[in-house]
Amino acid sequence: GAGVSQSPRYKVAKRGQDVALRCDPISGHVSLFWYQQALGQGPEFLTYFQNEAQLDKSGLPSDRFFAERPEGSVSTLKIQRTQQEDSAVYLCASSFGRPLYNEQFFGPGTRLTVL
Amino acid sequence: AQSVTQLGSHVSVSEGALVLLRCNYSSSVPPYLFWYVQYPNQGLQLLLKYTTGATLVKGINGFEAEFKKSETSFHLTKPSAHMSDAAEYFCAVSESRNTDKLIFGTGTRLQVFP
Repeated sequence: GAGVSQSPRYKVAKRGQDVALRCDPISGHVSLFWYQQALGQGPEFLTYFQNEAQLDKSGLPSDRFFAERPEGSVSTLKIQRTQQEDSAVYLCASSFGRPLYNEQFFGPGTRLTVL
Repeated sequence: AQSVTQLGSHVSVSEGALVLLRCNYSSSVPPYLFWYVQYPNQGLQLLLKYTTGATLVKGINGFEAEFKKSETSFHLTKPSAHMSDAAEYFCAVSESRNTDKLIFGTGTRLQVFP
């Protein structure tokens, strides 16, 4: 079946613009994660959903970052008033969720460049 | 707080040689440990994981890793490198009790020379 898909794959924004990044998880996956990967670094956790509930948003770097998953499937990560330091690859992952640990399947990412 | 340290941002080996990528972690609770591989312009792919049970874990593509609690290590090995193994490798830890979020290391780029 299809894996995790993300769109757009590449996004160039001018500083101050708002952007929206989309994630389509694997069908039936309960858990959805967003990570930020800066150049030359490992992915860093941003936020986590279980179905439509956002259970952990401790990794969001500022109140300019907002994520939603209103119907428990597709998720959108929105960044308002983008800054140059927001330039990174944004990765989405999904899994079947608890009670046992389940593998997180990652999408190809969206590369955001803020000019 | 949990953290992961990967020693060596770049590792180079000859084709057919042993691959050893190092990972040390810190965690206040029994950890779940993972190795992911990332090929250019592709998403992260799980190589192997340790949750409970046998401390020597075998993964895909001939890779294996051993969980050593006394050394807080989870090093990744492969007896014989192949050209197709060239990629970025990430070690990650998850706190097993409250959340499945992953804490990643900074990655090790593996180069394989003919």
